[in-house]
Amino acid sequence: EAEVAQSPRYKITEKSQAVAFWCDPISGHATLYWYRQILGQGPELLVQFQDESVVDDSQLPKDRFSAERLKGVDSTLKIQPAELGDSAMYLCASSPGRLQETQYFGPGTRLLVL
Amino acid sequence: ELKVEQNPLFLSMQEGKNYTIYCNYSTTSDRLYWYRQDPGKSLESLFVLLSNGAVKQEGRLMASLDTKARLSTLHITAAVHDLSATYFCAVPQGGSEKLVFGKGMKLTVNP
Repeated sequence: EAEVAQSPRYKITEKSQAVAFWCDPISGHATLYWYRQILGQGPELLVQFQDESVVDDSQLPKDRFSAERLKGVDSTLKIQPAELGDSAMYLCASSPGRLQETQYFGPGTRLLVL
Repeated sequence: ELKVEQNPLFLSMQEGKNYTIYCNYSTTSDRLYWYRQDPGKSLESLFVLLSNGAVKQEGRLMASLDTKARLSTLHITAAVHDLSATYFCAVPQGGSEKLVFGKGMKLTVNP
């Protein structure tokens, strides 16, 4: 069964350092999402791509976060500089791109900023 | 702004018992999704409800959607320990595919 891949699974960094997360969606899925999930909360959307284009990045803190999906396949989310409050689970999800389709989530990257 | 509320947020129940959990949302939507999350794991899709009156069942879980009341229920029948997890409902915002999640309901099923 096809799955969304993410790496690394865990990342510990010091504040002010740069971190990057990678996501490879299910093959053929046009839509890719990055979510942030703080412990004890539901996921919150950071950015949504349709192919290589950003559809929604209204909740992305653009002063420190950036995301790209250059060839419309895999994607990278970067934080620079990391802050203590960025400690969370970062989840990537993908869907075929048609309306009403389920979003399939990857295993996530757990980030701890010290 | 769309708000999604779940209740209860925590539930401890005994094996074999039945219970219903609720998900309310604040703006019109004809779709709702239920996900399950085990501790430290990612989200697993449980149900996709696509219209008013939709009912889906999988094993001991049954989900329904009332779009007029802006309410979804997740009914647990004869709970077993393996159902222990956090359950999230999510609603797409404003005709988009942007999902707004509730805070989740942490279920513990005790022997």
